[in-house]
Amino acid sequence: QQPVQSPQAVILREGEDAVINCSSSKALYSVHWYRQKHGEAPVFLMILLKGGEQKGHEKISASFNEKKQQSSLYLTASQLSYSGTYFCGTGSSNTGKLIFGQGTTLQVKP
Amino acid sequence: GAVVSQHPSRVICKSGTSVKIECRSLDFQATTMFWYRQFPKQSLMLMATSNEGSKATYEQGVEKDKFLINHASLTLSTLTVTSAHPEDSSFYICSARDLQDQETQYFGPGTRLLVL
Repeated sequence: QQPVQSPQAVILREGEDAVINCSSSKALYSVHWYRQKHGEAPVFLMILLKGGEQKGHEKISASFNEKKQQSSLYLTASQLSYSGTYFCGTGSSNTGKLIFGQGTTLQVKP
Repeated sequence: GAVVSQHPSRVICKSGTSVKIECRSLDFQATTMFWYRQFPKQSLMLMATSNEGSKATYEQGVEKDKFLINHASLTLSTLTVTSAHPEDSSFYICSARDLQDQETQYFGPGTRLLVL
């Protein structure tokens, strides 16, 4: 079942912070975060694994609450380049199969 | 970082023809690759899991005879859209799992298919 992302869209000024949430109705093994710009492929941002391991970019942080089956992506001091659509992909096992949320559109204005 | 390429990047074909899309992992080996389809302003929908040396696993509702997948080596998977119709027009994206780092998936640049 598709995870639910919130909010659907966010508009920020440069330097402001944002939080994007991802919620699943299934028990999760991993949560993957990607950013996609129009007409391009998704770019890997972060992966969070059951048990607490995280891999990703230095300037982006995220949390994973296994019990609540939720993850949040934290974007601080946003830059213009942060604009795009953010997708969370959830995996229920280590097979690598991901189900993606509907996306959150982030627009950063000067 | 890991690089995944796709070819072609864009293809226009007539209805009824077949189109082959290649997905290559350039600097790593991938036993598993995934094929997604994305319609405009929508999310990525997983179509199938491509496993090197074995048959692909298709998601519910995806016709395996229409979307043929071959994963002949640790760096190449191909998706063939057979007898394409206008409703098959979409953005097809592959991703690959690094054999050395099984958790992270890297996406290719995508192939935009337009069937006339």
